[in-house]
Order: sequence, then structure tokens, then C-alpha cells
Amino acid sequence: KNQVEQSPQSLIILEGKNCTLQCNYTVSPFSNLRWYKQDTGRGPVSLTIMTFSENTKSNGRYTATLDADTKQSSLHITASQLSDSASYICVVSAPTMFSGGYNKLIFGAGTRLAVHP
Amino acid sequence: GAGVSQTPSNKVTEKGKYVELRCDPISGHTALYWYRQSLGQGPEFLIYFQGTGAADDSGLPNDRFFAVRPEGSVSTLKIQRTERGDSAVYLCASSLSGRVNTGELFFGEGSRLTVL
Repeated sequence: KNQVEQSPQSLIILEGKNCTLQCNYTVSPFSNLRWYKQDTGRGPVSLTIMTFSENTKSNGRYTATLDADTKQSSLHITASQLSDSASYICVVSAPTMFSGGYNKLIFGAGTRLAVHP
Repeated sequence: GAGVSQTPSNKVTEKGKYVELRCDPISGHTALYWYRQSLGQGPEFLIYFQGTGAADDSGLPNDRFFAVRPEGSVSTLKIQRTERGDSAVYLCASSLSGRVNTGELFFGEGSRLTVL
């Protein structure tokens, strides 16, 4: 079973509309939760990083929420633009015993978002 | 450099051949990671370097895969006797330190490997 599950797998919305992407995780303990945007053929780019004590964090039109009790996170995109078309990946960072406790990133499979005019 | 640089961007090889993929991290970043991403999937961890040493190589799928970072900067991922299942995008990322809880991770554009 994947430790980081994302839904939906893919989503199509019209330009200007809002959308919410979901992430459920079972990683425990965890250090922080991140959302990345990955354009086709490019490397992932960080959108937000939240520690377990943070409930919400915004980055422009992107707002991430975190409920550490239920192990759920969401990414809300407001007033979508064509350039928002990409894969959005939820990543959970877990502490390890390697090398004095580095944080290992566990990636979800991503939600592929297509914004149509 | 300004960002993480990976070469080649595309590599096509034949089954059984040897391949090297290079990653040049952001200057001053001590932590370097290799990931493998198959189509429609999230990146899968391969190996983590802290400085010159491989602090965690638990993600390497088998002994055909090996990575080095001899001077604590550039890293090379080496794949011997390539198989068709090795076809994927190989992503490299770097950060100031792997131990910082909220350390930002910067990814390269990836090297797309196709094994025929």
C-alpha cells in the first residue's frame, strides 16, 4: 500500500475555476508535508512546506491545508490559469536514523491537472 | 550554478549497455538525492548523499545501480547491464542540508533514459 495517496488521479477544469486536490498519508512519524508542482518534462518545484503544527499555508493562488490528526492534506487552487496545468505531487518528509537523522521524502503519485480555456 | 544541472537530458541505449548520468547540484548544497520517476508516478527514492558519502542507498533497486560523489559536489549515477525496465526519468535534487526539517529541495530537469 502506498504511504502517500492522492486523489483524484486526474482532473480537468475550466480556466478561472477553483479546485481542490487531496492527499492522505500513513507515514508516521512525519516531519513535514510538501506540495510540489511538476510541469511536463520538468523537475518538481516546491509550492508549500508545512510542519505538523501548521494547519494552512498559502503561496499566491495556492493554499495548502494539513490535518495531522487525520493525516490528510489538501491543495486548493484559486482562479485557475492555463499555466496551472501540471502534476501536483504531495510529499511527506519522514525522519530517519541514517546520517544523524536526515529527512526522507516519500512522494505520492500526483494529480494531473488540466486547465482548459 | 544557478540551479541543479543534469546531463544528458535524454539518453537512448540498448539493453545490456552501461550508462552514466551526471548531476551538478547548486553550489554549496551538501545534500544530494537521486530519484527515479516512471510515467504517471511520483519520484521514487534511490540514494542520498551527505557530502561525499552515500548516507542512505536503500532505494537502489539492485547491484547494477551505483552512484558516486567523490568531491562532494557533482554526482554520477551509473547503471550497468541496462534493462528495458530501467527506462525512466532520473531526477537529481539538492539541498543545503538533509538534516534541516524544512530544508528546501531543488530538482534538476531530469535525465530521460530509454533502454531499447
